[in-house]
Amino acid sequence: EAQVTQNPRYLITVTGKKLTVTCSQNMNHEYMSWYRQDPGLGLRQIYYSMNVEVTDKGDVPEGYKVSRKEKRNFPLILESPSPNQTSLYFCASTFSGTRIDTQYFGPGTRLTVL
Amino acid sequence: DQQVKQNSPSLSVQEGRISILNCDYTNSMFDYFLWYKKYPAEGPTFLISISSIKDKNEDGRFTVFLNKSAKHLSLHIVPSQPGDSAVYFCAASLGSGNEKLTFGTGTRLTIIP
Repeated sequence: EAQVTQNPRYLITVTGKKLTVTCSQNMNHEYMSWYRQDPGLGLRQIYYSMNVEVTDKGDVPEGYKVSRKEKRNFPLILESPSPNQTSLYFCASTFSGTRIDTQYFGPGTRLTVL
Repeated sequence: DQQVKQNSPSLSVQEGRISILNCDYTNSMFDYFLWYKKYPAEGPTFLISISSIKDKNEDGRFTVFLNKSAKHLSLHIVPSQPGDSAVYFCAASLGSGNEKLTFGTGTRLTIIP
């Protein structure tokens, strides 16, 4: 089954404690991205990756890092989480340069930073 | 600066009636528009899209209308069913092959049985 998986699905942590949210896709997609969803703001892109070892900032990259060492994985790293990063996070993937409506989203990770 | 806006955070519609969800955008370079549906505890799923060369696209009970001069699009659901209760996001991109999506703020649709 074609899917995007995220782990963990729920996480409560404290300010400053480094964390990583994993994202993996099994569709051999080139393009992957991270979004955060906040009330009244919709989904905003954090980072994206066009292919292995190619990453770039989205609209709200501050406080986040990503890496793309393998095609299937695109982890999101919060080196020093702060309460304003409390949000619902989605990973997404698609074939690069094809119709954008083939973009698949993961189930989401709800993060709370105390 | 919100380039894609959905001014109605919520909408309630009687089952069997028409649901109309609206979306406005400010960037005239947007060329391709999509609607996503999101259920609780799930990621958004693609619903329907439209290219700027069209003013209407239909898929079963779902129709999207695009008014480029007004920078406005709408999603019509006819007839509305209880399973349509979800949050709907409109999104825009600079072309159908451009991966970056700019999302609206979402509208929570509730279908009343």
